[in-house]
Amino acid sequence: KNQVEQSPQSLIILEGKNCTLQCNYTVSPFSNLRWYKQDTGRGPVSLTIMTFSENTKSNGRYTATLDADTKQSSLHITASQLSDSASYICVVIQAGTALIFGKGTTLSVSS
Amino acid sequence: NAGVTQTPKFQVLKTGQSMTLQCAQDMNHEYMSWYRQDPGMGLRLIHYSVGAGITDQGEVPNGYNVSRSTTEDFPLRLLSAAPSQTSVYFCASRVGGTGELFFGEGSRLTVL
Repeated sequence: KNQVEQSPQSLIILEGKNCTLQCNYTVSPFSNLRWYKQDTGRGPVSLTIMTFSENTKSNGRYTATLDADTKQSSLHITASQLSDSASYICVVIQAGTALIFGKGTTLSVSS
Repeated sequence: NAGVTQTPKFQVLKTGQSMTLQCAQDMNHEYMSWYRQDPGMGLRLIHYSVGAGITDQGEVPNGYNVSRSTTEDFPLRLLSAAPSQTSVYFCASRVGGTGELFFGEGSRLTVL
C-alpha cells in the first residue's frame, strides 16, 4: 500500500534551535517528493521538490534530503524563527501523477 | 495574479442543507482538485479534474459533486450536508503531471 509516514507528529523547540522532520514512504513507482509549509489558517505552500537523483537541496534555512534507496526524506530547519511555527507536509508523487500525502508535523517555535 | 481563490472562507450549515464552495484560478492550470483537511487525518482528495469537462473521484467523494465547465472554475457542491462534512476544504491547482500544487486559503465549513 502506498503510504507516507511523518515523524514526529508534533515538536516544540526554542527559537534559534535547529530541528529535523522525517518523512518515510512506501510509494512506488516514485517520481518526486515535495515538502509543503502550512501556516495556521492558510493553505499549504511548496518549500522544495526532491527528484530521484537529488540528495540535498536548500531553500534558505530549510534543507531537504532524500535517500531513494531507504525511501526516506528529511527537512532540516536551521536557526529556527517564530515564523517557522507551522505544519510541514510531505507529499510523494507517484509516477503517473497520483499524490500521496503525509499527515504532517506540527512545529511550534517558542521564544 | 490572484492564484487560487476560494469562497466563502467560513460557512455554517444545518444538516440537510445544500451549498456550493467556489474555486477559481487565474494561472491557466489544467489540473484542479478539492481536498478536505481534518485533525489527525491530513489532506484527503475529494474530487479532481484534469481539464474542462473532465472530472473524477478521489479518496472521499461521497456526498460531494463537482463540475468543470471552464478551465478557471471548479465548484464543489454539498448535496445534503451532514455533520461528518464539518471540515476545512482546500481547492488546489497545478499545471499537470508532477507540478507544484497551488492551494487556496481554505473554506471552513461547520454543519450543525
